[in-house]
Amino acid sequence: KNQVEQSPQSLIILEGKNCTLQCNYTVSPFSNLRWYKQDTGRGPVSLTIMTFSENTKSNGRYTATLDADTKQSSLHITASQLSDSASYICVVSAESNDMRFGAGTRLTVKP
Amino acid sequence: ETGVTQSPTHLIKTRGQQVTLRCSSQSGHNTVSWYQQALGQGPQFIFQYYREEENGRGNFPPRFSGLQFPNYSSELNVNALELDDSALYLCASSLYGLAGSDTQYFGPGTRLTVL
Repeated sequence: KNQVEQSPQSLIILEGKNCTLQCNYTVSPFSNLRWYKQDTGRGPVSLTIMTFSENTKSNGRYTATLDADTKQSSLHITASQLSDSASYICVVSAESNDMRFGAGTRLTVKP
Repeated sequence: ETGVTQSPTHLIKTRGQQVTLRCSSQSGHNTVSWYQQALGQGPQFIFQYYREEENGRGNFPPRFSGLQFPNYSSELNVNALELDDSALYLCASSLYGLAGSDTQYFGPGTRLTVL
């Protein structure tokens, strides 16, 4: 069973709208949580990284939140653009040398 | 562009063959991690190399092996290829160890097809 679950699996929104992607995890002990954006056929690109003590991190129109108590994270995208169409992957690192990847949310932004 | 390069871009092999994939890390980075990404799935961690030593391994059989060279470039070797090995293989470089807060920079990947 994957220790990182993302929802929704896919999402279609109109350009200019906001959206929120969810990530729940059971990885323990927790070290950090990252969100990546992966364009089709490309390697993932880091958006944010948060440690235990951080509960919000922004990168332009991307804002990630972390609730380490409930083991939940979200990625909020504001004023979406066509170029935001991609897969968004949540990655949780344990204190051991192991990173667990979620399956990703496939976001499509339509004009 | 992340500065991480991988070769080849695409590769087709048959079952039972062996394959070597290559990765050049970003300048100044001493850590390389390898991932297998099946279609529609998130990447699965294979292993990591830090300063030429294996520094962590995921749940992959021993026929998946690797090397890191003094210039921190890396190879992933897969022996006795199976159909399920067909996937996108990603490498990522970073400056420190895996579980720290350092950012990993991914290469574009090598698409391996096993027939």
